[in-house]
Amino acid sequence: AQRVTQPEKLLSVFKGAPVELKCNYSYSGSPELFWYVQYSRQRLQLLLRHISRESIKGFTADLNKGETSFHLKKPFAQEEDSAMYYCALRETGNQFYFGTGTSLTVIP
Amino acid sequence: GAVVSQHPSWVICKSGTSVKIECRSLDFQATTMFWYRQFPKQSLMLMATSNEGSKATYEQGVEKDKFLINHASLTLSTLTVTSAHPEDSSFYICSAPGHYNTEAFFGQGTRLTVV
Repeated sequence: AQRVTQPEKLLSVFKGAPVELKCNYSYSGSPELFWYVQYSRQRLQLLLRHISRESIKGFTADLNKGETSFHLKKPFAQEEDSAMYYCALRETGNQFYFGTGTSLTVIP
Repeated sequence: GAVVSQHPSWVICKSGTSVKIECRSLDFQATTMFWYRQFPKQSLMLMATSNEGSKATYEQGVEKDKFLINHASLTLSTLTVTSAHPEDSSFYICSAPGHYNTEAFFGQGTRLTVV
């Protein structure tokens, strides 16, 4: 069963424009959700996690249990934000299940 | 942050041979490690959970006899692709949870090409 859904494979925005990467999840328990980013030719790295309620590189994400969503947002996109973004859900056994990813391109 | 290292970074092998990929946690111990497979421009697909001192747990549809996993120590897990075929060509990534299981740390990946 698909636990994490990212509906957009590709997303392009202009520099300075707001950006939102969508993520929906399916999980019966209490979800732990993360956003991971993969820059070109680099390994996956954690961007942020919902329990921290932090803002990293200007990105924020709010867990909405009613809508089962964890969308990633940034008010003003920068060129260096161009990367592959993965939404991930961690289950109780510590396995991470990833969405299909969204490739973000910020146009100068 | 914690470091997870994979070796080799890339490997080319002949069809029918076996290839071993190592995943090491360099500055922390990991009783559990995870192996993923990533096809070009696609997401990471969890293949199996590697457990130190016990058998690995495989996701549905992953052949355990094809992808042998051994978690010999608290810092090393290995994935052996047996009798490799061209369709096994892919990017294999391992990860390990960090302290207090707060997040997963990923290796740099191993690109396997079977010719």
